[in-house]
Amino acid sequence: FQLTQPHSVSASPGKTVTIPCTRSSGNIGSRYVQWYQQRPGRSPTTVIFEDTQRSSGVPGRFSASIDTSSNSASLVISGLTTEDEADYYCQSYDSGVQVFGGGTRLTVL
Amino acid sequence: EVQLAESGGGSVQPGESLRLSCDASGFSFSDYWMTWVRQVPGRGLEWVASIKADGSEVYYVDSVEGRFSISRDNAKNSLHLQMNSLRVGDAAFYYCVRDRQSPILMPGVYHDWGRGVLVTVSS
Repeated sequence: FQLTQPHSVSASPGKTVTIPCTRSSGNIGSRYVQWYQQRPGRSPTTVIFEDTQRSSGVPGRFSASIDTSSNSASLVISGLTTEDEADYYCQSYDSGVQVFGGGTRLTVL
Repeated sequence: EVQLAESGGGSVQPGESLRLSCDASGFSFSDYWMTWVRQVPGRGLEWVASIKADGSEVYYVDSVEGRFSISRDNAKNSLHLQMNSLRVGDAAFYYCVRDRQSPILMPGVYHDWGRGVLVTVSS
C-alpha cells in the first residue's frame, strides 16, 4: 500500500493547518498511523503515535484523527508558530512491512 | 532518557560492505522491536529493516533483502545492520529507531530516533 501526502502546505502564524495522509489500499483503521516531524538538519521526532496519541513533550496544539470514509489520516496543528516549520511524515505498517508518506513541507509565513 | 547512538558510517565503493551499529540506553532494550530507517539527503524517509525484541523475527524492505542483515545483542544493548553489496542507491542517512514493545506481534510504531549516520557509496 502507499500513503499520499501533499508536497507542501502553508499558513500564517496563529492559524490552524491540516495535513492529510491517504492510504491507497487496505483499511486506514486496520493499522495505527504515526506522524513524525523533521526540522531542517535534524533527525525525525515522533509527534503522534497510534493514530491520536501525542508523544511525550509534544504540545496540545498537535492533534490527529482517522477518517475511515476517506481512508485517510490527518494531522492538525493549531496556533502555528515559526518553530512548527518542518517536514511532516505519516507512516503505517502491515504484516511487517512499514510505509512512509512522501512528506509534507509546512511553511509558516 | 532514551538515547540511540549510531556509528559505523562512511564512504565506500559500490559492491563493498559496511556494518552499522546503534548503542541504546535509557530503556529496557531487550523488550523492544528495533528498526532502521534511512533517508537520502533532501528526500523522504524509507523503512529498511526491523527486528523483534528477542531477535526471532526480522523484516526487510524488498530493495535490501538478501544484501542487508539486521541483528541485535541484547546483552550489550546494541543493534546492528550489516550492509553487503552496497549500491549507489543505498547512500543515505541511516537512523536507529526504538519501535514497539514486545509482545506486540508487528513492528511499525516508532517512538525514539537516533541522530543518524551517513553512508556514502560512490566510485
